[in-house]
Amino acid sequence: SQKIEQNSEALNIQEGKTATLTCNYTNYSPAYLQWYRQDPGRGPVFLLLIRENEKEKRKERLKVTFDTTLKQSLFHITASQPADSATYLCALKASGGSYIPTFGRGTSLIVHP
Amino acid sequence: NAGVTQTPKFRILKIGQSMTLQCTQDMNHNYMYWYRQDPGMGLKLIYYSVGAGITDKGEVPNGYNVSRSTTEDFPLRLELAAPSQTSVYFCASNFGQSRGDTQYFGPGTRLTVL
Repeated sequence: SQKIEQNSEALNIQEGKTATLTCNYTNYSPAYLQWYRQDPGRGPVFLLLIRENEKEKRKERLKVTFDTTLKQSLFHITASQPADSATYLCALKASGGSYIPTFGRGTSLIVHP
Repeated sequence: NAGVTQTPKFRILKIGQSMTLQCTQDMNHNYMYWYRQDPGMGLKLIYYSVGAGITDKGEVPNGYNVSRSTTEDFPLRLELAAPSQTSVYFCASNFGQSRGDTQYFGPGTRLTVL
């Protein structure tokens, strides 16, 4: 069956360090993958999209990589700040079929000052 | 633009009661979605719509109904509330491009069924 897996344990890091979050998938032929940020009590907010033929995407302090051989996407936040503390969701859209992406459970990031 | 708005923000229902969760978007998006999010879980798609007058079931449609009479509005109806429907409900919208399209989410409705 198709699965999207994100680490359920919270990631705790110190301010200024690079945070790395993982999104693994099985039994998907991906078209693209998205990353969203969700703050408590709010809806998810789109951050980045990376397509299946792209290896890396950057936006300011954010970087996403996509390895279709490993079936994995990594989401990096460099020079992390306490304001980066939130839950980060990945969403995968399979090629063909439904145009609606499937969301992972999300990983909570806590950046300590 | 207000984006995607949802009402109410919070609601407590008794078992067997009915209610409608409202969702409105002002971005002229064709596609609209309803998700539920349980604690520690991802977003589960309940229903979606590709345009006015067209709706379709998602992953977890049982116990819910939707309608789409206008481009802007996509209400979600709970007919006979059950404790299993206690959740946070998010409405979202986008243009639905197959090459990759951001979903814009509303602030959510927190529903408790007792």
